[in-house]
Amino acid sequence: KAGVTQTPRYLIKTRGQQVTLSCSPISGHRSVSWYQQTPGQGLQFLFEYFSETQRNKGNFPGRFSGRQFSNSRSEMNVSTLELGDSALYLCASSAASGGSNEQFFGPGTRLTVL
Amino acid sequence: QKEVEQNSGPLSVPEGAIASLNCTYSDRGSQSFFWYRQYSGKSPELIMFIYSNGDKEDGRFTAQLNKASQYVSLLIRDSQPSDSATYLCAVNPLEGGSYIPTFGRGTSLIVHP
Repeated sequence: KAGVTQTPRYLIKTRGQQVTLSCSPISGHRSVSWYQQTPGQGLQFLFEYFSETQRNKGNFPGRFSGRQFSNSRSEMNVSTLELGDSALYLCASSAASGGSNEQFFGPGTRLTVL
Repeated sequence: QKEVEQNSGPLSVPEGAIASLNCTYSDRGSQSFFWYRQYSGKSPELIMFIYSNGDKEDGRFTAQLNKASQYVSLLIRDSQPSDSATYLCAVNPLEGGSYIPTFGRGTSLIVHP
């Protein structure tokens, strides 16, 4: 069974631009969660989508948004990029939503904002 | 905001020894607890999860949960150099009706030959 895939793997953008990241979950998984990982803040939860609906949301500004398609693939968008948005963005898939489900992470997208 | 605390380390142990990693959490209502391993430059990989008080064993790994004291630990027996990585503790506290996965900053483990 194929794992979680993320594209692109690396991105370089400049301040003020926007970016869209993509995540394909493990086949059969309907939940996709997004995380931001930085050396200073560690791994922080952005949001979770399940069956095309946002189920949970972390404490990030509205510049961070996402969506999920009917095939469970998910995209995350960051608008008006700031230098502080430079991070590793990870998505994780799970079979179901809720607090007790194990998550499987993709390889991540390394975003650099100049 | 709910917190998950881990000692950043590094924790250095000789090959073959037992490595003990600890994690404390602030939300008493948390129900599920996870340990992830993250090698440098890689994404986190789930090692174990535990929901009930007590011990859960899987091969060389044992997770221990004590909800009354609000801590969860991971023991690695017969540590190998390949176990050298950062270990992340994760908790799913309920905030405002939603589960917000919360990770500790991780403990760096070094297993030396």
